[in-house]
Amino acid sequence: EVQLVESGGGLVQPGGSLRLSCSASGFTFSSYAMHWVRQAPGKGLEYVSAISSNGGSTYYADSVKGRFTISRDNSKNTLYLQMSSLRAEDTAVYYCVKGEYSSSSGAFDIWGQGTMVTVSS
Amino acid sequence: SYVLTQPPSVSVAPGKTARITCGGNNIGSKSVHWYQQKPGQAPVLVIYYDSDRPSGIPERFSGSNSGNTATLTISRVEAGDEADYYCQVWDSSSDHRGVFGGGTKLTVL
Repeated sequence: EVQLVESGGGLVQPGGSLRLSCSASGFTFSSYAMHWVRQAPGKGLEYVSAISSNGGSTYYADSVKGRFTISRDNSKNTLYLQMSSLRAEDTAVYYCVKGEYSSSSGAFDIWGQGTMVTVSS
Repeated sequence: SYVLTQPPSVSVAPGKTARITCGGNNIGSKSVHWYQQKPGQAPVLVIYYDSDRPSGIPERFSGSNSGNTATLTISRVEAGDEADYYCQVWDSSSDHRGVFGGGTKLTVL
């Protein structure tokens, strides 16, 4: 079964850091681009970050550029999102998403269940 | 940056046809993907490349894309179709970033 399982969410103070992980199974992880999409409470979907299949290319939304770092370990079938200088507006459910191809294109065909990040004092 | 515009809500009676639009500048030249999100759940891909259905998605779901509007059509609507629906494209003019519409809440009366 194709599956993505996020972990690492929680409550963090403004200015703090958090690392999200996403464990993939059921497909050849190293062949696909991976993405992070977030959803603030009661709001729509926001595209956050992407990484190509070999990790050589990354993308960040302007809202997180310079504060978030996406990475992957293909030997461990794991995707990461290192978040720093967190703000209240980063509060959201963060979804790990599998792309259809090795680079950023196509549809998002598999989504994890999401992990909640709350930034609050 | 590229903007996708969806109506906040659409209401339809059971058994009728629901149409959810997604507007964007010359969106007909892009491939549009649609996602369904039920309360408390992760989104699910229901239409990709304008009109293709992933395996397991009922034939009642269909899509079209032309000019400045893409449309998700749900025929013979059921109570279980009540959800939020999001359209998505890639903005090749902006580092090839993913773009989502604001979402449409489908209410089955």
